[in-house]
Amino acid sequence: NAGVTQTPKFRVLKTGQSMTLLCAQDMNHEYMYWYRQDPGMGLRLIHYSVGEGTTAKGEVPDGYNVSRLKKQNFLLGLESAAPSQTSVYFCASSTSGRTYEQYFGPGTRLTVT
Amino acid sequence: AQSVTQPDIHITVSEGASLELRCNYSYGATPYLFWYVQSPGQGLQLLLKYFSGDTLVQGIKGFEAEFKRSQSSFNLRKPSVHWSDAAEYFCAVVMIYGGSQGNLIFGKGTKLSVKP
Repeated sequence: NAGVTQTPKFRVLKTGQSMTLLCAQDMNHEYMYWYRQDPGMGLRLIHYSVGEGTTAKGEVPDGYNVSRLKKQNFLLGLESAAPSQTSVYFCASSTSGRTYEQYFGPGTRLTVT
Repeated sequence: AQSVTQPDIHITVSEGASLELRCNYSYGATPYLFWYVQSPGQGLQLLLKYFSGDTLVQGIKGFEAEFKRSQSSFNLRKPSVHWSDAAEYFCAVVMIYGGSQGNLIFGKGTKLSVKP
């Protein structure tokens, strides 16, 4: 099993450009999450999904959109990138059982100039 | 509101010395607690978790943590640190929305450096 994979690993955008980050998991997990990690801030939840076709806002959702058209994939979109969105983005997934343990992908480093 | 505090931003210990990383949480009910480790350039890996029962939990890589309800703490310990333990460590508490769905609230992390 590959676990949780993220595409791409690195990306540089200019202000105003758009892009989509792809997260894929092969563990048949119901729940998926997108976080951003900034120095000294820990991980903050952007959006999450409790199942195919459903999404919800997390702590810092502004400027991002998400979609979960297939159970195994969770997409994070930036419609008009801003320098404040320079960060490392992590995807995670977890089962619907009451373990609450999340499995993380390797991250995507995004720089917006 | 639920929150997690890791008071130490950066800790340096000598290889072979013991380690304790502090974590305090704020949560109304019995918390579900986790410690994750992040090696440089990597994602997060689960070290250990506490749900209920024995307050001393064992994890991977020789780590353990003790849940102390009276102190709202869940400190991570290791008797003898190895150079490969240099990483950033995150404590997290689960905020349960209902049923089996819960989100993790993370502390800001403690970076561990290991001196030879």
